[in-house]
Amino acid sequence: GAGVSQSPSNKVTEKGKDVELRCDPISGHTALYWYRQSLGQGLEFLIYFQGNSAPDKSGLPSDRFSAERTGGSVSTLTIQRTQQEDSAVYLCASSLYSGGAETQYFGPGTRLLVL
Amino acid sequence: AQSVTQLGSHVSVSEGALVLLRCNYSSSVPPYLFWYVQYPNQGLQLLLKYTSAATLVKGINGFEAEFKKSETSFHLTKPSAHMSDAAEYFCAVSPSGANNLFFGTGTRLTVIP
Repeated sequence: GAGVSQSPSNKVTEKGKDVELRCDPISGHTALYWYRQSLGQGLEFLIYFQGNSAPDKSGLPSDRFSAERTGGSVSTLTIQRTQQEDSAVYLCASSLYSGGAETQYFGPGTRLLVL
Repeated sequence: AQSVTQLGSHVSVSEGALVLLRCNYSSSVPPYLFWYVQYPNQGLQLLLKYTSAATLVKGINGFEAEFKKSETSFHLTKPSAHMSDAAEYFCAVSPSGANNLFFGTGTRLTVIP
């Protein structure tokens, strides 16, 4: 079956612009996660959605970052007023259920470069 | 706070040699533990996971890992390296009660022909 897909695969933007990154999870997966992979910080958790529950936003680095998940499926990560330190690969993952033992399936990522 | 330590950011082995990638975690309660592999320009793929069943876990591509509570370790091994094993490997933990993963800094494996 289809895996997690993300778009765009690459995004170049200018400092100060807003960007939107999209994630399509595996069909039927109830949990969705965003992570950021950067040279300086490694792989960091950003935000987690589970069904209709309020998202866990504890990993968002600043209020310029936000995310939503519409209809329990597609998710969009928005970065406002981008900064050069936002340059990273943004990875989305989904799992069938929530819970620490669940396997998270990762998408290929969106590589963001802020000039 | 949870932490995962991967000793050695780069490991080189000869083709056919043993692969050993080290991972230690810090937690008073044994967490769930994972090894993921990342090939160039791709996302992360699960190799194996420990979820409090058998301490020796077998994964894909001939990899296995052993959970040792006394050493707070979850090292990844493969008896005989193949060229296709060249990639970056990440150890991750999911603490009890958490949903997200905490990742180590990764180990880049190079396989020398």
